[in-house]
Amino acid sequence: DTEVTQTPKHLVMGMTNKKSLKCEQHMGHRAMYWYKQKAKKPPELMFVYSYEKLSINESVPSRFSPECPNSSLLNLHLHALQPEDSALYLCASSYTSGNYYGYTFGSGTRLTVV
Amino acid sequence: GENVEQHPSTLSVQEGDSAVIKCTYSDSASNYFPWYKQELGKRPQLIIDIRSNVGEKKDQRIAVTLNKTAKHFSLHITETQPEDSAVYFCAAPPLNQAGTALIFGKGTTLSVSS
Repeated sequence: DTEVTQTPKHLVMGMTNKKSLKCEQHMGHRAMYWYKQKAKKPPELMFVYSYEKLSINESVPSRFSPECPNSSLLNLHLHALQPEDSALYLCASSYTSGNYYGYTFGSGTRLTVV
Repeated sequence: GENVEQHPSTLSVQEGDSAVIKCTYSDSASNYFPWYKQELGKRPQLIIDIRSNVGEKKDQRIAVTLNKTAKHFSLHITETQPEDSAVYFCAAPPLNQAGTALIFGKGTTLSVSS
């Protein structure tokens, strides 16, 4: 398995909703990442997990809450989002932090906040 | 953090022409330089990468060159085809992070007309 799988592919949520994005990989990668991408812009780093521990939080608002339950799974919990949070959320993984072999993106979750 | 600058922001070429996209980076310790292609609505896909111990790498019509002294690297696409039309992103590891998540340039929209 050489894929990073993200679910759901599309999500529409209200500003008072709570939802979660899921990312899964079975490549043995020990570093996993969340990026946010707006249209025609580059992916913008949000969080980095290394060996299931949060190593980088790029000053992301607390309405985004990451979780890494095990080495294969990465979640992003969403609560009280704003319309400007609408974007493509990309998960990526690599063998280890600082080792870029296998740096792979999932197909993303397109989030719309209404 | 790492500063990755990418030029040009848009590039239009005729089918069969060559296209060159350039990126500069700020951290002389950076050691990995990938290029990603992103088609509309899809995930970024790695098309070629280069590590700092190599000056040039080729894969069919695509090549990447690295000038460590000047801290820039370039993507070269020869014999362009309409299916090369996409947004291209360069990336580099961040400054002072011991090399963790990749930081992306602002992207180049390449249009190949037939």
